[in-house]
Amino acid sequence: DADVTQTPRNRITKTGKRIMLECSQTKGHDRMYWYRQDPGLGLRLIYYSFDVKDINKGEISDGYSVSRQAQAKFSLSLESAIPNQTALYFCATSPRGGEETQYFGPGTRLLVL
Amino acid sequence: RKEVEQDPGPFNVPEGATVAFNCTYSNSASQSFFWYRQDCRKEPKLLMSVYSSGNEDGRFTAQLNRASQYISLLIRDSKLSDSATYLCVVNKAGDYKLSFGAGTTVTVRA
Repeated sequence: DADVTQTPRNRITKTGKRIMLECSQTKGHDRMYWYRQDPGLGLRLIYYSFDVKDINKGEISDGYSVSRQAQAKFSLSLESAIPNQTALYFCATSPRGGEETQYFGPGTRLLVL
Repeated sequence: RKEVEQDPGPFNVPEGATVAFNCTYSNSASQSFFWYRQDCRKEPKLLMSVYSSGNEDGRFTAQLNRASQYISLLIRDSKLSDSATYLCVVNKAGDYKLSFGAGTTVTVRA
C-alpha cells in the first residue's frame, strides 16, 4: 500500500463549486504540505502544517483553505473553484528533524471548467 | 527572479551517453540541496541529496558550487529508464519549506 494517498485522483468541476482534496499518510510524519504544479513552473507551496495545531500559508494560499484533521490527514479545499486553479495538486509529508526530504502522494489532476 | 532556475531542456541523448545539467539558486542562505526525479505527470521522488563535497550514487553524480550558487547533476551511461524530468530543490537554513525548480527534461533514445 502507498504511504501517501490522495483522493480523488482526477476531478472535473465547474466554476464556483466547492471542492475538497484529501490526503492521508501512514508514514507517521508530523509535517504535511500541499503543492500545485503547473506546466513550466516549479511546484508551488499552498499550505503546510507542522503538526495538528500548526497550519501555515505558503506562497499561493489565496483561494484555498486547509484542515488538519489528524496527524495522518490533511485536506485542501477550494471554496469557489475558478479555471486558473486547474492544475496538478500534490500532497507531501516529511518527518520532524533530520533532512528535509519530502515524500509525495500520487497527485490529483483538477480541471475547473 | 525565481529562487531556483533550471534549463528546461529537453536534453535528447542516445543510450550510453553522458548528460549533465545545472541549476542556479538565488538565496545565498540556502542550506540543503536535492535532486528529485519526476516521471510524466507522476509524483516527484527523491533522487539524491547534494553535499558540499559532491557525491555519487551509481551512475549519478551531484556537485555543489556555493560561490557561484549552482548545483549540477551528471548522468553517466544513460539508460532508457533515465528519461524523466529532474527537479532541482533547495532549502534555506532553518526553514523546512523547499523551493523547486521547474525541472530539466531528459530523454534517452535507443
